Amino acid sequence: AQSVTQPDIHITVSEGASLELRCNYSYGATPYLFWYVQSPGQGLQLLLKYFSGDTLVQGIKGFEAEFKRSQSSFNLRKPSVHWSDAAEYFCAVGPLNTGTASKLTFGTGTRLQVTL
Amino acid sequence: GAVVSQHPSRVICKSGTSVKIECRSLDFQATTMFWYRQFPKQSLMLMATSNEGSKATYEQGVEKDKFLINHASLTLSTLTVTSAHPEDSSFYICSAITSPSGEQYFGPGTRLTVT
Repeated sequence: AQSVTQPDIHITVSEGASLELRCNYSYGATPYLFWYVQSPGQGLQLLLKYFSGDTLVQGIKGFEAEFKRSQSSFNLRKPSVHWSDAAEYFCAVGPLNTGTASKLTFGTGTRLQVTL
Repeated sequence: GAVVSQHPSRVICKSGTSVKIECRSLDFQATTMFWYRQFPKQSLMLMATSNEGSKATYEQGVEKDKFLINHASLTLSTLTVTSAHPEDSSFYICSAITSPSGEQYFGPGTRLTVT
């Protein structure tokens, strides 16, 4: 069965500091990996995704993530955090069925707090 | 980008009543929509897959008679929580799948409170 682990429930960083959110997955085949962000009371917005090619993926809002197959990880990074980045971040994994609807398995999320 | 809306954004209902939540894809057609449930400070749990023109597929442990799903058109899926109880209070989020890319776009969610 597929699973996603986000070890950090809550992270606090200062504005301008760098950020890394961890994500480890368990999947029997080549995974399709995602990072989503959720602001309070809102739905999910896709930050970036990976399914093949360059293992360093660039996303929106200055975020990037690196796929490391040997470590089963897909950590999210940002060089300089802004106060508006405070939100809940979810890592998700799905089957590599491009072009078809795929069920996603979500991690438990990491709440990011940004101090000024 | 593709936009998915949900209505209402918040609803309060009394125990024993039913409430309907709508999920619409505004600028694309979606043959498949997903319904998720999210408890406070927890992740999204997939409840069911809604397919246009056919019966929904429910995840294990989800009562199909309690959570009625109707995908009547390519742009609308509805989730009806029947005989609601306080434990049904939650944040319900839908997503719609674009074709042929299979991209999944999420609605803003509906906060249901059952009193």
